[in-house]
Order: sequence, then structure tokens, then C-alpha cells
Amino acid sequence: AQTVTQSQPEMSVQEAETVTLSCTYDTSESNYYLFWYKQPPSRQMILVIRQEAYKQQNATENRFSVNFQKAAKSFSLKISDSQLGDTAMYFCAFYGSGNTGKLIFGQGTTLQVKP
Amino acid sequence: SAVISQKPSRDICQRGTSLTIQCQVDSQVTMMFWYRQQPGQSLTLIATANQGSEATYESGFVIDKFPISRPNLTFSTLTVSNMSPEDSSIYLCSVLRDRGEPQHFGDGTRLSIL
Repeated sequence: AQTVTQSQPEMSVQEAETVTLSCTYDTSESNYYLFWYKQPPSRQMILVIRQEAYKQQNATENRFSVNFQKAAKSFSLKISDSQLGDTAMYFCAFYGSGNTGKLIFGQGTTLQVKP
Repeated sequence: SAVISQKPSRDICQRGTSLTIQCQVDSQVTMMFWYRQQPGQSLTLIATANQGSEATYESGFVIDKFPISRPNLTFSTLTVSNMSPEDSSIYLCSVLRDRGEPQHFGDGTRLSIL
């Protein structure tokens, strides 16, 4: 079975500091697509960053970057220079190239950025 | 990314009634999905909306309770039938333009059943 595990239900960070959210997954597929989504209290699901499993280079989007370790099936998200607007629930998710595009979600990590 | 309009954004309904949620995309997409999310929880996939045919439901969800339509490549509806307080939740639609791309989500419908 394909699964995603986020082991940190809640985290907090001071404004301007760096925080890393962890994510591990399990799949037997060799090619798949990984994503981090952000859901602020407004409930809108916002794509933060994406990573194709066949690419070794870690994806980066401004202050957001990932540490993708394919062998370890790990996909952590690093947020640099944290801002108050980063306060949200973060979901790790993936879908395989062999399935029907259905996303498998982790349980989510609630991040609180403190002033 | 696709622009997705989901309506209504919220509603309060009486038990035993039904509500239809609409999801409109500004361009043709390959796949459309419907999710349910309890407050503070992760998303649970209800079904994949298939264009021109019956939706594909996940375990625990049935067509009689959650009928879904997708008449074309830009529009889908989800009906929550014979509602009970247990159906109070957030319902989200999402779209996938093409394989390898991320899913993009509507703003969600917050549904409360009295």
C-alpha cells in the first residue's frame, strides 16, 4: 500500500528563523511525483513545491526547498526566513506514475510562526 | 495554474436535505476529484469524477450518498444526499491538467448540518 507519514503534528518557529518539516512515504513505484501543500486558516490548498522522483536535484521555490532522499523515501520541506504568513497546516503528498493521478496525503503538520 | 471556482463557499442545511456543490475550471483538465476534510484533519478522497461516465468511488463512499456528475472537461458537481450532522465537513474539488502536474484545488465548501 502507498502511504505518507508526517510525524510532527505541530511545530513552531520564530519569525525569520528556519524550520524543517519531515515527510516519509512508501511506494513500490520507481517514478512518482511529490508535493508540499500549504493550507492556511482560510482553508485554501496552495501548492508550495513539487519534485519529480526521477530528478536528483532538490527543488527550490524562493524561501522553500526540499531535501529529497529517494533511497530513504524521505521528502522534507525547509522554510527559510519564516514569515507570519507561513502559519498554516502543511501537507506532504504524492502520486505514482502508475496510478490514476490520485494524491496520497500525509496527516499534516500545523506550523505556527511566532513574532 | 488552473482557475477553479467552487460554489457555494459555505452553507447551513437541515438534516435529511441534499446539497449540490459545483466546481468550474477555466480550462479543460484531464481529471477532477472530490475530497472531504474534517477540521484539523487531512483530506480524504471521495471519488474521481469521470467525464461522461460514472465516478470512481473510494472505499467507504457510495454513489447513492454522494452522486457525482461530470458532463464535460471543465465542470463537475458533487451532491451530498440525505444529510446528517456527520456530513458536516469541508468539501473540496481538485483538478489535474495532465499527468506529472500537481493537483490544484478549489477554495472548498464548508458545510454544516443542523
